[in-house]
Amino acid sequence: RKEVEQDPGPFNVPEGATVAFNCTYSNSASQSFFWYRQDCRKEPKLLMSVYSSGNEDGRFTAQLNRASQYISLLIRDSKLSDSATYLCVVKVGGTPLVFGKGTRLSVIA
Amino acid sequence: NAGVMQNPRHLVRRRGQEARLRCSPMKGHSHVYWYRQLPEEGLKFMVYLQKENIIDESGMPKERFSAEFPKEGPSILRIQQVVRGDSAAYFCASSPRAGGSTDTQYFGPGTRLTVL
Repeated sequence: RKEVEQDPGPFNVPEGATVAFNCTYSNSASQSFFWYRQDCRKEPKLLMSVYSSGNEDGRFTAQLNRASQYISLLIRDSKLSDSATYLCVVKVGGTPLVFGKGTRLSVIA
Repeated sequence: NAGVMQNPRHLVRRRGQEARLRCSPMKGHSHVYWYRQLPEEGLKFMVYLQKENIIDESGMPKERFSAEFPKEGPSILRIQQVVRGDSAAYFCASSPRAGGSTDTQYFGPGTRLTVL
């Protein structure tokens, strides 16, 4: 079983749509959770950290379910500029980041 | 305030040559991580270094790969006798403190290695 699993997509959605990505992780000792965004042939950039209570940043909402070892990202009112690959990332204490393979999103005009 | 810098951005090598990839962390950051991203794959951890110390190299291939972070100068990832399977994007990240659970890692633009 992979450490972090994501649906690779692609998700093709029209502008203005709401889209949700899910991610599961295998290590129950994971302590930190993140969503990164990676544009084609660029470096990953931190989109947001994910907290147990859930957190929101503008059009983006992240949720964590520790019992199910499940993380989600919701994007409302999709923009063309949201087109990218979204990487689910987990961390156990001081260990390095563990990345999922990413979910590709294309927002279409 | 410059971010993480990597050079070269693109590197082409023939099989059997050596590749040297350099990473300068963000100002004030003393912790460096190297990750590799193979085509159509996720990023995989390779090595974690602090100044003059390798902290965790559990992701490094046992042969041909080495890394250092000297007291002065950038961190270097060295690949000897490159093979076609080494073709990938190599990303460096830095963080300000010991890799605690909340420390954010900031990524450089990566070096794209192509082995002919």
